[in-house]
Amino acid sequence: AQTVTQSQPEMSVQEAETVTLSCTYDTSESDYYLFWYKQPPSRQMILVIRQEAYKQQNATENRFSVNFQKAAKSFSLKISDSQLGDAAMYFCAYRSARSGGGADGLTFGKGTHLIIQP
Amino acid sequence: DGGITQSPKYLFRKEGQNVTLSCEQNLNHDAMYWYRQDPGQGLRLIYYSQIVNDFQKGDIAEGYSVSREKKESFPLTVTSAQKNPTAFYLCASRPRGWFNYGYTFGSGTRLTVV
Repeated sequence: AQTVTQSQPEMSVQEAETVTLSCTYDTSESDYYLFWYKQPPSRQMILVIRQEAYKQQNATENRFSVNFQKAAKSFSLKISDSQLGDAAMYFCAYRSARSGGGADGLTFGKGTHLIIQP
Repeated sequence: DGGITQSPKYLFRKEGQNVTLSCEQNLNHDAMYWYRQDPGQGLRLIYYSQIVNDFQKGDIAEGYSVSREKKESFPLTVTSAQKNPTAFYLCASRPRGWFNYGYTFGSGTRLTVV
């Protein structure tokens, strides 16, 4: 079974600064997908960014980018120019590329609470 | 607008009662999921369904049941066999075959045992 580990329960950053959230995962598969989700106080889960394991290029979405290290099984999220609206829980998630059977569903880490200091 | 509607937003259950959480989507997604969220635990998969009239157990299915009679609907019943049902429940969906697609989530139901 796959596992996802987020080692930072809480992180704090000054507004306009850059912060990196860590995520590592354990899998024996070679093809999979990785995601970062944001959960603000409203509890709505919002997809921030996704990465296909077969792609070497790191994904970028505006101020959000990832550092995907496949060999190290690491998938960190970098938030540049942090804004007050970025304050939320951030979850790293894994999904197998296999279809059917027990391969469906996302496996989540326990989350990192990001605090933005004004 | 397309999306997932979960109801009710808050639900209170007495000991020994079964309760049903509603999840409806108008995204024409084939796959639907139920997750449970506890403080400090992340999200854990309860059940999922990839097509109508078919569903599979997730990691923590004991004490829960589901049905999938319509593509749009995937209700979750929390039975009296679930020993610790107080949690936040999230429903999600995904288009068929789009494995790299980030799931769309509903806004959740907070269930409390009183």
